[in-house]
Amino acid sequence: IAGITQAPTSQILAAGRRMTLRCTQDMRHNAMYWYRQDLGLGLRLIHYSNTAGTTGKGEVPDGYSVSRANTDDFPLTLASAVPSQTSVYFCASSKQGGDTEAFFGQGTRLTVV
Amino acid sequence: GQNIDQPTEMTATEGAIVQINCTYQTSGFNGLFWYQQHAGEAPTFLSYNVLDGLEEKGRFSSFLSRSKGYSYLLLKELQMKDSASYLCAVRDSNYQLIWGAGTKLIIKP
Repeated sequence: IAGITQAPTSQILAAGRRMTLRCTQDMRHNAMYWYRQDLGLGLRLIHYSNTAGTTGKGEVPDGYSVSRANTDDFPLTLASAVPSQTSVYFCASSKQGGDTEAFFGQGTRLTVV
Repeated sequence: GQNIDQPTEMTATEGAIVQINCTYQTSGFNGLFWYQQHAGEAPTFLSYNVLDGLEEKGRFSSFLSRSKGYSYLLLKELQMKDSASYLCAVRDSNYQLIWGAGTKLIIKP
């Protein structure tokens, strides 16, 4: 089934640990995005990539890094997790950057303790 | 700063009509989006407006007034499955999406 897959679905992580959230899409979309969603706040863009080999910073990039080695994969790494990074993380993709419709993964619920 | 405002929660009755409002203040405008998000699930695309006026898609319609910085999502013939959060987002001059916190819609029988 074509779509966008995130792993893990949920994770409890000790503060200070390193963690990579995985995101894979099989729609051959050029643009991919990482958002975090916190209660009472809108989705906030962490990092994005308009095409393989390029990445850009969003609204809240600090503490996170991304890579885009190929079209399909867009992993998000927390180098040293802190409790404020407790959130639901969504990966999304669109055919091109600035497209009208983005497709979202099912989300990763991360708790940093 | 950039800001998207929408009501936190609304309640409506099955079979009725509900209008969810969204007002925005952003640096530039390159389109307004509505997404639906059921609890614990991913957001899914509903509509896109870039010109003033009403866009109709089945039971859902979305309206935009750029001069007023205002949009609404109109849901007709409400069904229980429409219980969800509705997210308003605006694409700014940098083509970044600015998201509202969402409106939780509760449908009662």
